[in-house]
Amino acid sequence: DSGVTQTPKHLITATGQRVTLRCSPRSGDLSVYWYQQSLDQGLQFLIQYYNGEERAKGNILERFSAQQFPDLHSELNLSSLELGDSALYFCASSAYPGGTGELFFGEGSRLTVL
Amino acid sequence: SQQGEEDPQALSIQEGENATMNCSYKTSINNLQWYRQNSGRGLVHLILIRSNEREKHSGRLRVTLDTSKKSSSLLITASRAADTASYFCATELFTGGGNKLTFGTGTQLKVEL
Repeated sequence: DSGVTQTPKHLITATGQRVTLRCSPRSGDLSVYWYQQSLDQGLQFLIQYYNGEERAKGNILERFSAQQFPDLHSELNLSSLELGDSALYFCASSAYPGGTGELFFGEGSRLTVL
Repeated sequence: SQQGEEDPQALSIQEGENATMNCSYKTSINNLQWYRQNSGRGLVHLILIRSNEREKHSGRLRVTLDTSKKSSSLLITASRAADTASYFCATELFTGGGNKLTFGTGTQLKVEL
């Protein structure tokens, strides 16, 4: 158990809908990362937050947004969903704001868009 | 786009044999990490090697890093069926205020009894 909690584990929705994925980092970790894993794109870095502030941005679509709350949990919002958004979404946390630190991954939220 | 490319894409060996996976990357890095992923599960950190290190060991794992060739290798010795998983290298780059850990394409390792 990594200590990172993601909900929901599975989500099935229709195109055009909006969903919110939630992540609770390990106790004491201030950094939260979001990744998308799909068969054709592999593991793609989406965004990083540290103590409530955005720190690094990757291949995150404009239809997607994220935030980290004062209690350090994070949410990833996916809107106007398309079939291609079907993927496993991972949250990871670390104790460091940047550089030299292993990431602790949650078990992921599997999103299926029909 | 992927920063790292693992080679081979898939590897099948017998229990007790050694497994070697390679990773090549494109830009200068701060460190390189290896992760393991069991099917459909979260990734688990295995080992981190800094850019000024050349070799590192952890139990049955041995990692090398050649920054001049922009490549790394992961050796798993005396493999077990439980080692069956996908293995990813990840390179860490500073991007101003944060770090961006970029994963490679992965090697699927199957260890057969």
